[in-house]
Amino acid sequence: EVELVESGGSLVQPGQSLRLACTASGFNFADYGMTWVRQAPGKGLEWVGFVRSRLYGGTIEYAASVKGRFSISRDDSVGIAFVQMNYLETEDTAVYYCGRGLTVSGAKYYFDRWGQGTLVTVSS
Amino acid sequence: DIQMTQSPSTLSASVGDRVTITCRASQSIRSWLAWYQQKAGEPPNLLIYQASALQSGVPSRFSGTGSGTEFTLTISSLQPDDFGTYYCQHYSTFPLSFGGGTKVEIK
Repeated sequence: EVELVESGGSLVQPGQSLRLACTASGFNFADYGMTWVRQAPGKGLEWVGFVRSRLYGGTIEYAASVKGRFSISRDDSVGIAFVQMNYLETEDTAVYYCGRGLTVSGAKYYFDRWGQGTLVTVSS
Repeated sequence: DIQMTQSPSTLSASVGDRVTITCRASQSIRSWLAWYQQKAGEPPNLLIYQASALQSGVPSRFSGTGSGTEFTLTISSLQPDDFGTYYCQHYSTFPLSFGGGTKVEIK
């Protein structure tokens, strides 16, 4: 069974750093692109970033709101995707979800499986 | 960047009603559109991809149409389990983006 489990969320102060992990099981993680999406309390979904599989170069895309502060990576040997979040701001407070990407051509991705999310709270 | 606009933001309908949600893209995304349902405290659940393809396991009362800039999600006969918030999301090019959501309430 496909499963994604996020971890690492906690309460941090503005300006601090945090690393989230998304642990995958039940499928060949290395074959899939992985995305991060967040949802602030009471708000809609916001795309954060995406890492392609090695087959498609392993390259990474970011939303403008996090570019330069967040860094996405993956470790295919253990089936985990990461997002390193630096210089956190109160506006980064959200539940962070990871999702598995499906593609036909390697250029277009939609997301068929999601984890339950991990809560990041940035507050002084 | 491509902006996605959904309407209405909320709707209330009765069991058995036909429900339609609209999503507009700020520029053509061809058919690179997905629809998700999300219930409170849960992750999104993929319903439709490539504008009209039904995800495996999703009931056939859900359907998607459209291409270019205008898209619709239709629930042919609303069921009690269909409450929640629905989001469209384009995947035409990066950065990806979601619509603001449509909250569906059961009367």
